[in-house]
Amino acid sequence: AQTVTQSQPEMSVQEAETVTLSCTYDTSESDYYLFWYKQPPSRQMILVIRQEAYKQQNATENRFSVNFQKAAKSFSLKISDSQLGDAAMYFCGEGSQGNLIFGKGTKLSVKP
Amino acid sequence: AAGVIQSPRHLIKEKRETATLKCYPIPRHDTVYWYQQGPGQDPQFLISFYEKMQSDKGSIPDRFSAQQFSDYHSELNMSSLELGDSALYFCASSLSRAGYNEQFFGPGTRLTVL
Repeated sequence: AQTVTQSQPEMSVQEAETVTLSCTYDTSESDYYLFWYKQPPSRQMILVIRQEAYKQQNATENRFSVNFQKAAKSFSLKISDSQLGDAAMYFCGEGSQGNLIFGKGTKLSVKP
Repeated sequence: AAGVIQSPRHLIKEKRETATLKCYPIPRHDTVYWYQQGPGQDPQFLISFYEKMQSDKGSIPDRFSAQQFSDYHSELNMSSLELGDSALYFCASSLSRAGYNEQFFGPGTRLTVL
């Protein structure tokens, strides 16, 4: 069974600074992908970034990038130049059989 | 761009009543997923449909049932509602059920059971 662990229930970052959210996973699948979703106070689930497991190059999307360590089953999210609008709950997750498995989430606060 | 539509957005029911949640996927998306997110929890997968057939089942109670219709919209039927069913219910759609296809989430239906 797939499991996803986010060990940081809450994180805080100063505006314009960089923050890294941690995530580890476990899966028996050989073909899978990993993702980070953002859930702001509106509760809408917004895909931030996605990484296919077979790709060695770390995915990047503007200010968001991941550090994918396949052997260590680690998938951290780095947010650069943090903005007030980045404040949200961030869910790490894994998908291999269609449905998504989420971690418990990390609540990110951004201080002005 | 068209997004996933869910209705109603808010629903209040009494214990033991029934509820029906509707989901309209993005046009041409043939796969629909239902997730339940309790207060302070992560979304939990309930059930999915591909081409109008059930494709996968998660932690969905026996009191719940769902189906996908010929126009690809889906309905989640919930009977004998319990207080613990109060949650945010998301529908997501994707183009085929391949794991690498992005799932687009709807805004959710907030169900409150009194």
